Amino acid sequence: QVQLQESGPGLVKPSETLSLTCAVSGYSISSGYYWGWIRQPPGKGLEWIGSIYHSGTTYYNPSLKSRVTISVDTSQNQFSLNLSSVTAADTAVYYCVKVRSGDYRDAFHIWGQGTMVTVSS
Amino acid sequence: EIVLTQSPGTLSLSPGERATLSCRASQSVSASYVAWYQQKPGQAPRLLIYGASSRATGIPDRFSGSGSGTDFTLTISRLEPEDFAVYYCQQQYGSSLFGQGTKLEIK
Repeated sequence: QVQLQESGPGLVKPSETLSLTCAVSGYSISSGYYWGWIRQPPGKGLEWIGSIYHSGTTYYNPSLKSRVTISVDTSQNQFSLNLSSVTAADTAVYYCVKVRSGDYRDAFHIWGQGTMVTVSS
Repeated sequence: EIVLTQSPGTLSLSPGERATLSCRASQSVSASYVAWYQQKPGQAPRLLIYGASSRATGIPDRFSGSGSGTDFTLTISRLEPEDFAVYYCQQQYGSSLFGQGTKLEIK
């Protein structure tokens, strides 16, 4: 079955760029579907960051769009998140997800376990 | 900008009881893109319902979703001990948005 695994630094300094990677197993990204990132600050709710198709088509949360880049590497079967100019407000658990169908508006049916990222000097 | 409001914020019930969770959008959204998730402490959310009323793979039939327009409901017909968790609704209207969550706790 499809499995997702996030990786990246657990601590990022303010004003720097947060970079995370999601390794996909059990399915080839180049075969289709949308993939995305969602975050959850400690004790708070869920926030969609953005989604990407295997072709590279992206959709971003307008509130984060100026700072977010999501990219896909089909050769490594993974996709990545870059969030620039981070502040303490970006401290959260970051989840990578798979969209249920080829429609980016569909539900997120597979989730990674999540990785905690803290922004602090 | 659409706002999703879930109610109640906290719901206290006993195992065996029926739970009704509400999700209201500030403007009409397509039911095709309304989903519900369950999240337990320390775990990633799990998809329960998509398309407002379709159960995801492996979800027990005590979970059901309904609604249209601006009002959507998640119903758990008979609560099991493992159902006590936080529930989020989500809609995709240009941009994906989650409600603030309903905590279902044991009474």
